[in-house]
Parts: sequence; structure tokens; C-alpha cells
Amino acid sequence: DIVMTQTPLSSPVTLGQSASISCRSSQSLVHSNGNTYLSWLQQRPGQPPRLLIYKISNRFSGVPDRFSGSGAGTDFTLKISRVEAEDVGIYYCMQATQFPPTFGGGTKVEI
Amino acid sequence: EVQLLESGGDLVQPGGSLRLSCAASGGTFSSYSMTWVRQAPGKGLDWVSSIYGSGVNTYYADSVKGRFTISRDNSKNTLYMQMNSLRADDTAIYYCAKGSCNNGVCSLDYWGQGTLVTVSS
Repeated sequence: DIVMTQTPLSSPVTLGQSASISCRSSQSLVHSNGNTYLSWLQQRPGQPPRLLIYKISNRFSGVPDRFSGSGAGTDFTLKISRVEAEDVGIYYCMQATQFPPTFGGGTKVEI
Repeated sequence: EVQLLESGGDLVQPGGSLRLSCAASGGTFSSYSMTWVRQAPGKGLDWVSSIYGSGVNTYYADSVKGRFTISRDNSKNTLYMQMNSLRADDTAIYYCAKGSCNNGVCSLDYWGQGTLVTVSS
């Protein structure tokens, strides 16, 4: 199975400042079809997860442009610019390039 | 926009069975894969099982293989998970999620609110 390692575990941030979360995979996430199925999910307290970013850097419908994804191969980053109070929660990276799909352990973003 | 609504979670004794359902609305149900993901209390996300749009291809986590069965009824826009031989470590919120691809997970773009399964005597 592909292991997804997220850092940091926790990220205290100041409102209006930026936050970055790193995700590293144990194998390349480039699929044989050329796509890289690395996505980022947000889980606010008491809520189900919500898709933010898919295929490394594509924002899902309705996601503010404060959220951006980057990376390639085995190293990926989620950046939250101008953090707002509603961004508090746990962020997960997920790979679906290879079965089984696997998740990172999560990064808690708190103000 | 796709909406997903799970049901069927309950308190069950070890060794017991449950059937979870996930009703989908919006979109063409048969054109996308579906996945069950669970989250134990205070823990992270754990993939359980996926099924492709046609219902022919199914995949399971090793921890549930042989005990859980995923299925779908495309005529009813509903996903199911039959859970047998339940164990205490199956206790979790179970989410159904829509895959963005038909023959693959790709990404999980819509999630239900979840249904709680508690396995305890």
C-alpha cells in the first residue's frame, strides 16, 4: 500500500496569514494514464470531509482561491493564503492512483 | 450537484450484522464509482471499499475482506454495504462518497453526512 505522510501534525496560524501542509507519498503517484490522483480534503469540526483540491492543483467547485495545491511525483503541498476562521479543521491528503486509496494522517489547522 | 444520504447505522453486538445504505440524488448514478470510508472516534479517514459504476468491479480493505460486501442498485440510485461478523474495531462513522470517475476512484468529490456504527456488547 502507498503510505501518505503529512507534516506538520498541527499548524497554529494567525488570521490573515498563510499556512502550508506537506504530503509525501511512499511511491510516485503518477498513474499509467499520466494523471496524478492526489487530492486534498478539509474536515471542519463535526462535519464530513469535503473535497478542496483534486489532481494536485485543481480547485473543486465552490472552493475559494485562497486554497492552492502544488507538487509532483511524491511531494505535494497545500497552501492556505489569508487564513480565515472558517478554515479551522483537519486537512487530509489522499491518493487514488493505486488501490487501495490511502489517506494521510491529517493536519490540524487551528487559530 | 450530487447529494448523498446514508442510513442504517446502529448499535450492534460483536458478531452481528448491519446493512448500510446510501441514497444518491443528482447526477447519473451509474456513471460514477462509489466508495465507503470510515472514521473511528477521534481518528483519521480509513478507506473501506469501492465499487465501479457498473457494479461489476469491487474492492475491499484487507480489514473487511470476507466480512463486508459492497453493492449498488443503479435503478434505485442506492449504494449498500452489508456488514457481517462485526467487531469492536469496526466502530466508526461510515461515509459514502462519490468518485469522480466511473472506472476508478480518482477523487472523492461528494460525501454524505455519515452514519454511526457502534459494535459493543
